[in-house]
Amino acid sequence: GIQVEQSPPDLILQEGANSTLRCNFSDSVNNLQWFHQNPWGQLINLFYIPSGTKQNGRLSATTVATERYSLLYISSSQTTDSGVYFCAVSPYSGGGADGLTFGKGTHLIIQP
Amino acid sequence: KAGVTQTPRYLIKTRGQQVTLSCSPISGHRSVSWYQQTPGQGLQFLFEYFSETQRNKGNFPGRFSGRQFSNSRSEMNVSTLELGDSALYLCASSLAQQGTEAFFGQGTRLTVV
Repeated sequence: GIQVEQSPPDLILQEGANSTLRCNFSDSVNNLQWFHQNPWGQLINLFYIPSGTKQNGRLSATTVATERYSLLYISSSQTTDSGVYFCAVSPYSGGGADGLTFGKGTHLIIQP
Repeated sequence: KAGVTQTPRYLIKTRGQQVTLSCSPISGHRSVSWYQQTPGQGLQFLFEYFSETQRNKGNFPGRFSGRQFSNSRSEMNVSTLELGDSALYLCASSLAQQGTEAFFGQGTRLTVV
């Protein structure tokens, strides 16, 4: 199956700093999503981005499908950005959560 | 609109018992997927249902099963519980169209003692 590697595994930053999280995947995908898991365990969808670039406020993401990687950018970090960020991919074309393979995540801590 | 609802939120079971977890998707969503999250293995795909049919399945033993009803609500069942089944079980729903994102529920935390 598809392998997903995320880096860095842990990241500690001061409030206001910028960060870049990386996701490498081993095969072509039709579905790539970034999620933020809050302290209560819920996964919040950030982006559906199998290719191209998207922006949503302080967050943006870029996927270069031909080179099999995706980047999540967080600018002007806030303490509420703390949590675990997951990249998930699937070869299936039906969207949603069908057959997603998750990376191990990046644990982000934003200090005040 | 209401999000994905999972019940119960917490559950404690004894080894050897069986358990049923429930997931109500967002209204209009016909695809429901189930995931297991553990500290050791991370998030792993269990199965996906669409229009009451299991379309895809992850690499879990047959003790893990599921079903979907005509109103798109889904249940998963784990029989003969083992200590290693202790995990957060997450359900996600989507429109099941290319380009659509997944919406996850808050999960059911199962502890097997």
